[in-house]
Amino acid sequence: ELKVEQNPLFLSMQEGKNYTIYCNYSTTSDRLYWYRQDPGKSLESLFVLLSNGAVKQEGRLMASLDTKARLSTLHITAAVHDLSATYFCAVDIESGGGADGLTFGKGTHLIIQP
Amino acid sequence: NAGVTQTPKFQVLKTGQSMTLQCAQDMNHEYMSWYRQDPGMGLRLIHYSVGAGITDQGEVPNGYNVSRSTTEDFPLRLLSAAPSQTSVYFCASRRPTPQAYYYTFGSGTRLTVV
Repeated sequence: ELKVEQNPLFLSMQEGKNYTIYCNYSTTSDRLYWYRQDPGKSLESLFVLLSNGAVKQEGRLMASLDTKARLSTLHITAAVHDLSATYFCAVDIESGGGADGLTFGKGTHLIIQP
Repeated sequence: NAGVTQTPKFQVLKTGQSMTLQCAQDMNHEYMSWYRQDPGMGLRLIHYSVGAGITDQGEVPNGYNVSRSTTEDFPLRLLSAAPSQTSVYFCASRRPTPQAYYYTFGSGTRLTVV
């Protein structure tokens, strides 16, 4: 059974600080997805990481992938209040004919306080 | 482009009632899927379809039926609603590339079964 584990599940931090969200997964997938969800809203795609060593950055967010360790990180630099949201990582559910869908972590609820 | 459109946005059902959650996409994506999101559980795959006339079960299919008669539509049916089906339901389609899949999620349907 494919498992995706995120930690922490809840994070309260101050503006200006740095922090990292971790995502461990149990499959050998080379692809990992990060999404953002605001309260009551849909999922917004942040990053698609395609290979070992992949690093992508958008503004204050940077994601990386280590397929050998089956670990992805989402690093937040100099956090601002607008980054408050729930962040999910997800991995493809692989079958013989391709990916059936996504398995998600439980999400990291991030609150950034002034 | 409207993307992925879900209706209704909110619904309250009584135990034992039936209903259909609608999902339509205008991106000509072959793949469509349904997820449910429960507090602290992330999103879990219910059913998916890789093209018209083809459907398959995901992680939590019990209590739900689907069909795919057209590329655009992928309705989710609850034949006899139960309180355990209280959840937020997301429909998603995806665009394949040689490297990865790019998912588009609908805005969600919040369902309460009393």
